[in-house]
Amino acid sequence: DTEVTQTPKHLVMGMTNKKSLKCEQHMGHRAMYWYKQKAKKPPELMFVYSYEKLSINESVPSRFSPECPNSSLLNLHLHALQPEDSALYLCASSQDGSWGNQPQHFGDGTRLSIL
Amino acid sequence: GDSVTQMEGPVTLSEEAFLTINCTYTATGYPSLFWYVQYPGEGLQLLLKATKADDKGSNKGFEATYRKETTSFHLEKGSVQVSDSAVYFCALSDGGAQKLVFGQGTRLTINP
Repeated sequence: DTEVTQTPKHLVMGMTNKKSLKCEQHMGHRAMYWYKQKAKKPPELMFVYSYEKLSINESVPSRFSPECPNSSLLNLHLHALQPEDSALYLCASSQDGSWGNQPQHFGDGTRLSIL
Repeated sequence: GDSVTQMEGPVTLSEEAFLTINCTYTATGYPSLFWYVQYPGEGLQLLLKATKADDKGSNKGFEATYRKETTSFHLEKGSVQVSDSAVYFCALSDGGAQKLVFGQGTRLTINP
C-alpha cells in the first residue's frame, strides 16, 4: 500500500476545461514533488515544494499551476492543456528534501488524457 | 551534469534465473543511489538504496552495491519470480540536491 495518495486515478478532460490533481501524505514529510511520466520513459520532474514553499520549477508551462496548502497536501491545477500533456502524473514526498540521501516515496499517479 | 545509464531492455528471463541489470552513473559529487520498481499501472516503489561507497542495499532478494571505483550500482537477484516482472529504474541524488536523476528504465519480463 502506497503512503502517498493521489486522486483521481484517471482523468479525461477537454482542452478548455479546468481541473485539479490532488496528492496527500501523512508521513510528516516536508518536501513534495510533481512529476510527469510519458509511456516507456522515466519520470520528469516538474515542481518541488520544500516546507510549503515552491523551491524548484523546471520551466513548466503556466497551464500547470501547483499549490501546497499545507505540509500534507499538494495540488496541481490544470487549465487549457494540450494533447501532448496526456501522461501519468506522479506525486512524491521525502523527509525534507535538503539531503539527497532521503528517498522519495511515490503515489500511484493520475493518468490524464486530454481530448 | 549528472547522468545515469542503464542497460537497454527489454530483458526476458525464465523463472528462477539469475538477474543482473547494469547501472552506471556520472556525478560531480558524492551521490546517493537508488533502485525503483514500477509495476504495471502503479507508481514507483523504492526497492533499495545506498548512500556511500561500498554500501550494499538489499530488499526482497534484490541487492546492489555502490561501487565508486567503477561508478556502478548493478541490480542483482539470485532467482527471479514471475511477480518480479516490472520496469526497473536506477536513479541518483547528488548531495543537497532535491532532484532525482533517473536512468531510462529496464523492462523485465519473467516467464513461468
